[in-house]
Amino acid sequence: AQTVTQSQPEMSVQEAETVTLSCTYDTSESDYYLFWYKQPPSRQMILVIRQEAYKQQNATENRFSVNFQKAAKSFSLKISDSQLGDAAMYFCAYKPGGGADGLTFGKGTHLIIQP
Amino acid sequence: EPEVTQTPSHQVTQMGQEVILRCVPISNHLYFYWYRQILGQKVEFLVSFYNNEISEKSEIFDDQFSVERPDGSNFTLKIRSTKLEDSAMYFCASSPEGGGPDTQYFGPGTRLTVL
Repeated sequence: AQTVTQSQPEMSVQEAETVTLSCTYDTSESDYYLFWYKQPPSRQMILVIRQEAYKQQNATENRFSVNFQKAAKSFSLKISDSQLGDAAMYFCAYKPGGGADGLTFGKGTHLIIQP
Repeated sequence: EPEVTQTPSHQVTQMGQEVILRCVPISNHLYFYWYRQILGQKVEFLVSFYNNEISEKSEIFDDQFSVERPDGSNFTLKIRSTKLEDSAMYFCASSPEGGGPDTQYFGPGTRLTVL
């Protein structure tokens, strides 16, 4: 079974600084996809960024980028120029390719932005 | 931008009662999912649904749960006889396709409280 581990229950960063959230996963699959979702206090799940495992290039979406290390099974999220609106729970998620499998989520990291 | 909608936003029920949670997936999506999140815990996959049948389900999705697509737009989750431990946030999600990198788009969730 696949597992996703987020080892940082909480992280704090000053506004405008950069923060990196860690995620590791375990799988025997070669075809899979990785996601970061943001959950603000409203509890809505919002996609931040996704990465296809077959792509070597790290995904980037504006201030959000990932460091995908396939051999190490590591998928960290970097948030640059942190803003107050970035404060939320961040969940790393895994999905095997080729089927209607559900996402496997990590336990989440609570990100606090200090003004 | 199209979005997944869920009703009601909050449902309170007595233990042993049946509840039906409703979702309207994004109109051109083909795969539908239910997840739950017990307060303070990670999001857990319940079931995926495609072509009017269940594609995958987790161990959580036992005989107390059922899903249905009663018409061309709604997707429902029924809990036959609710227990206290069913209290959670229930998220519906949809994706254009199940396999591949297609992102699952989440609804705002229904908070279920079982008394």
